Amino acid sequence: GENVEQHPSTLSVQEGDSAVIKCTYSDSASNYFPWYKQELGKRPQLIIDIRSNVGEKKDQRIAVTLNKTAKHFSLHITETQPEDSAVYFCAASGSGGSNYKLTFGKGTLLTVNP
Amino acid sequence: DAGVIQSPRHEVTEMGQEVTLRCKPISGHNSLFWYRQTMMRGLELLIYFNNNVPIDDSGMPEDRFSAKMPNASFSTLKIQPSEPRDSAVYFCASSLRGAQETQYFGPGTRLLVL
Repeated sequence: GENVEQHPSTLSVQEGDSAVIKCTYSDSASNYFPWYKQELGKRPQLIIDIRSNVGEKKDQRIAVTLNKTAKHFSLHITETQPEDSAVYFCAASGSGGSNYKLTFGKGTLLTVNP
Repeated sequence: DAGVIQSPRHEVTEMGQEVTLRCKPISGHNSLFWYRQTMMRGLELLIYFNNNVPIDDSGMPEDRFSAKMPNASFSTLKIQPSEPRDSAVYFCASSLRGAQETQYFGPGTRLLVL
């Protein structure tokens, strides 16, 4: 089955700096890669996703890049703000018979220091 | 829409007792997912329903766990008998159609088995 590795497990940045979180996946058939944000004590919420037919997607201060050859994808947050502090999870989903399943990475605790 | 609704929000029980978690997905969503979240194992998919039919329960830890979806607006996850290692946050999520659409998570049920 799919295996998703996520790094780093913790990340601390100063307000205004950029943050980058990286994930690798094992199943070359995976074609959908969402990112979820989970604030302390809250539910995970989708912040951005990318499909395998594009290499990059942006939404204001957030961007995701995908390298299918290398089987890795990354989340980039620019001009970080204290409210960006949360745990971020990457995930991957395959095609065909396994397209119902999201496999999550272990998460990255991002702390933005004022 | 009220979003995905879960009950109870917190449950404390003693080892050996039966626990039933409940979920009401967003109206019109035909996919429902049960996840378990722990520090050690992260977010794990337990079972996935499509149009009220269980598609894959390979993530269910063992026979002590069972899940049902008698209709499109209600699902249950039952643990019988419960054990301390079942302590976790259990999330229900729903999507319009499968894992490659935005999954909307409920607030979760925090379960503590003593």
